Amino acid sequence: EVQLVESGGGLVQPGGSLRLSCAASGFTFSDHHMDWVRQAPGKGLEWVGRSRKKGNRYTTEYAASVKGRFTISRDDSKNSLYLQMNSLKTEDTAVYYCARDSMRYGFDYWGQGTLVTVSS
Amino acid sequence: DIQLTQSPSFLSASVGDRVTITCRASQDISSYLAWYQQKPGKAPKLLIYIASTLQSGVPSRFSGSGSGTEFTLTISSLQPEDFATYYCQQLNSYPLTFGGGTKVEIK
Repeated sequence: EVQLVESGGGLVQPGGSLRLSCAASGFTFSDHHMDWVRQAPGKGLEWVGRSRKKGNRYTTEYAASVKGRFTISRDDSKNSLYLQMNSLKTEDTAVYYCARDSMRYGFDYWGQGTLVTVSS
Repeated sequence: DIQLTQSPSFLSASVGDRVTITCRASQDISSYLAWYQQKPGKAPKLLIYIASTLQSGVPSRFSGSGSGTEFTLTISSLQPEDFATYYCQQLNSYPLTFGGGTKVEIK
């Protein structure tokens, strides 16, 4: 069974940093691109960024709203995806989901999400 | 960036109704569109990809159509478990974008 479990969310002050993790199981993690998607309270879904697999040189893509502040990385040996968030703003407050990316076939598995609250 | 406009944003319907949600893209995205269902407090669930292909395990009352800039999600006979918010997503180009969502509520 495919499972994605996010962790690392919490309360952080504006300007602070936080690192989210996503632990994957039930599939060959190294064979898949992975993405982060967020959802502000009561709002819609916003794509954050993509981590491509080794065959695509582990390259990344980011939404303009987080580019230069957020960094996506992965450790295939640990079946884990990460989101390093720096210079956090109040508008980054959201539930952050990791998702398995089947490229143009959509995001077929999602984690349960982890809440990040940026507030003083 | 490609903008996706969903309509309506809110829909009130009864069990057994046929429901259609539209997603319009600001530019041609070929057939690279997916639909998701999200229930309160839960992660989104993939329903349809490449505009019209049903994800494994999704009931056949869900269907998708369209290409280019106009797409539809149809639920042929609304069931109690279908009351949720539905999102479209374009996978044609970066940044990947989602529509604003359509909330389907019980009439």
